[in-house]
Amino acid sequence: SQQGEEDPQALSIQEGENATMNCSYKTSINNLQWYRQNSGRGLVHLILIRSNEREKHSGRLRVTLDTSKKSSSLLITASRAADTASYFCATDAERGADGLTFGKGTHLIIQP
Amino acid sequence: ETGVTQSPTHLIKTRGQQVTLRCSSQSGHNTVSWYQQALGQGPQFIFQYYREEENGRGNFPPRFSGLQFPNYSSELNVNALELDDSALYLCASNPDTPFGYNEQFFGPGTRLTVL
Repeated sequence: SQQGEEDPQALSIQEGENATMNCSYKTSINNLQWYRQNSGRGLVHLILIRSNEREKHSGRLRVTLDTSKKSSSLLITASRAADTASYFCATDAERGADGLTFGKGTHLIIQP
Repeated sequence: ETGVTQSPTHLIKTRGQQVTLRCSSQSGHNTVSWYQQALGQGPQFIFQYYREEENGRGNFPPRFSGLQFPNYSSELNVNALELDDSALYLCASNPDTPFGYNEQFFGPGTRLTVL
């Protein structure tokens, strides 16, 4: 079963605009990670935020985590055509050894 | 590039057959996980191996099995293939201990089609 749900399922914006996608999950977690996937290929790790952190930045990426609401958001600023991809949040449960649990992803399209 | 490779890239099998997919992890990565990604879905955890032993498994039947070798390579075997096994199969390695899930290094995947 998939724990996380990304919202929206699809997002189309103009190049240069900011893109925000959200993720909700169900159980207590150790970490939450965001990954990018281009055209059904391998996933690329973007950023990891720990359960005791509330916000993290990496380049044009900003991630927030609200453990009380079991939700996270990923903001990509000043989007570029190369940002077109599917974005997934992934959580690992406190119990461990259950792997990462991914949501269904947000498909982001950046219009030139 | 993550340094993780998978073979083959694509594979077509018929229902009832058996398949072996291969993964080569980064040197020093003792943990490898396998995921199944159906079209339009997120990856689903199949199992994890740490130092050649399975130490975590998702909701997949026993006909999904694996092996990990000392040279950082691993295999995913699927017996008695079903149509629903058609998916992208991803392996991911990391240098963590069995219960650590920091950054995962994913391979490019093997696209399996079952006819």
